[in-house]
Amino acid sequence: DTEVTQTPKHLVMGMTNKKSLKCEQHMGHRAMYWYKQKAKKPPELMFVYSYEKLSINESVPSRFSPECPNSSLLNLHLHALQPEDSALYLCASTSGTGSYEQYFGPGTRLTVT
Amino acid sequence: LAKTTQPISMDSYEGQEVNITCSHNNIATNDYITWYQQFPSQGPRFIIQGYKTKVTNEVASLFIPADRKSSTLSLPRVSLSDTAVYYCLVGDSNYQLIWGAGTKLIIKP
Repeated sequence: DTEVTQTPKHLVMGMTNKKSLKCEQHMGHRAMYWYKQKAKKPPELMFVYSYEKLSINESVPSRFSPECPNSSLLNLHLHALQPEDSALYLCASTSGTGSYEQYFGPGTRLTVT
Repeated sequence: LAKTTQPISMDSYEGQEVNITCSHNNIATNDYITWYQQFPSQGPRFIIQGYKTKVTNEVASLFIPADRKSSTLSLPRVSLSDTAVYYCLVGDSNYQLIWGAGTKLIIKP
């Protein structure tokens, strides 16, 4: 199984809402990533978990809160977002051994109203 | 950190070979070069990865000269379904990842 799944596919939320994005992989990968992608731009790295520990936080605002409950799951908790946070949020995973053969999920299209 | 530069767009025709070059003048010794394909509203899909010289798999080849300051993704005999955005990515084992801006490839019949 080489699939990374993400839920939900689409999410519309108000600026005062709290919501969560979920990502799951069953490839035994030990590194998982959250990216944000705006239209016609490359993915922008937000967070990296390596062996369930937060390794990289690319100066992301605290209204985004990542969580890695176990090696297969990755969550992104959202609170008090701004309209400019509307984007495609992508999850990816790699084996964790220095390879950048990232497997991406289909993404969650987030709209903040 | 390496900065990556790639053409904004390219056109080609079905059956042709397409070469997309990415410039990464400040690439570090530990950096690998990876290429991804992305269709609209989908996540990127891994194509190929290399460190130096030439790498080939079932879908593409990657050419990296000795100075590693550029890399060229070669897609043999493209079809309409290869119309997509192609990204080069330079990264090291400490998760320092630099994505290119992407090349929009349009394949015409």
